[in-house]
Amino acid sequence: AQSVTQLDSQVPVFEEAPVELRCNYSSSVSVYLFWYVQYPNQGLQLLLKYLSGSTLVKGINGFEAEFNKSQTSFHLRKPSVHISDTAEYFCAVAARTDKLIFGTGTRLQVFP
Amino acid sequence: NAGVTQTPKFRILKIGQSMTLQCTQDMNHNYMYWYRQDPGMGLKLIYYSVGAGITDKGEVPNGYNVSRSTTEDFPLRLELAAPSQTSVYFCATILAGGSYEQYFGPGTRLTVT
Repeated sequence: AQSVTQLDSQVPVFEEAPVELRCNYSSSVSVYLFWYVQYPNQGLQLLLKYLSGSTLVKGINGFEAEFNKSQTSFHLRKPSVHISDTAEYFCAVAARTDKLIFGTGTRLQVFP
Repeated sequence: NAGVTQTPKFRILKIGQSMTLQCTQDMNHNYMYWYRQDPGMGLKLIYYSVGAGITDKGEVPNGYNVSRSTTEDFPLRLELAAPSQTSVYFCATILAGGSYEQYFGPGTRLTVT
C-alpha cells in the first residue's frame, strides 16, 4: 500500500522569501507524484506532476518540485513567494493505478 | 466547457435526513471520484467509478451510496445523515490512460446537526 506524509501542517513565511513544503511517500512500486493547491473555498488545482524523466519538475505559478527516489521525497519549492500563494497544498501519489492517495496538507501562510 | 460542476454549494441537514450531492462533468472522462475533506485529514476517497454502470468502494464508503447511469453524472447519496458526515465533499474526474491528473469540482459544504 502507498502512503504520503506531509511533515509540516503549517508553514508561515514572509513575502518574497523562499519556501519549501516537504512531502515523503512510501510505496513498494514505482509511482506518479503530484502537488495540488487549494485556495480558500475552492476545489483542488494541479500545480505540477512527476510521471517519469527529469526529476526536477516545473509547475504553474513559479513552483517546482524535485523527485528523489532514494529519499522517497517530492518536496515543493518556490524561490520567492507572493501573498497570493497563501493556500493549502496537498501532495499525492498514484502507484500506477487510477486512485490517488493524498497527504494531510500543508497550510502556507504568506505575510507581508 | 464547464469542467466539473457540483450542486449544491452548501447544505445543512438534520440528523436522519437524506440528500443527494450532484456531480456532472462535460469532459467525457470515464473515471469519476467522490472525496470528503475534513480539517487536517486531507482527502479521503468515498466511492469511485471507472465508467457508466460500474462503481466501487473507496476508503470511507459507509453511510454513502452512488450510481453511475451516464458518463456525465455521478451522484452521491446520503441516506441517514449523521454528524460524522459533516464535511466538504469533492467530485473529481480523470481520463483513463492519461496522466492521472484529477480535475476537481468546487465542492459541497455539508453540515449535519
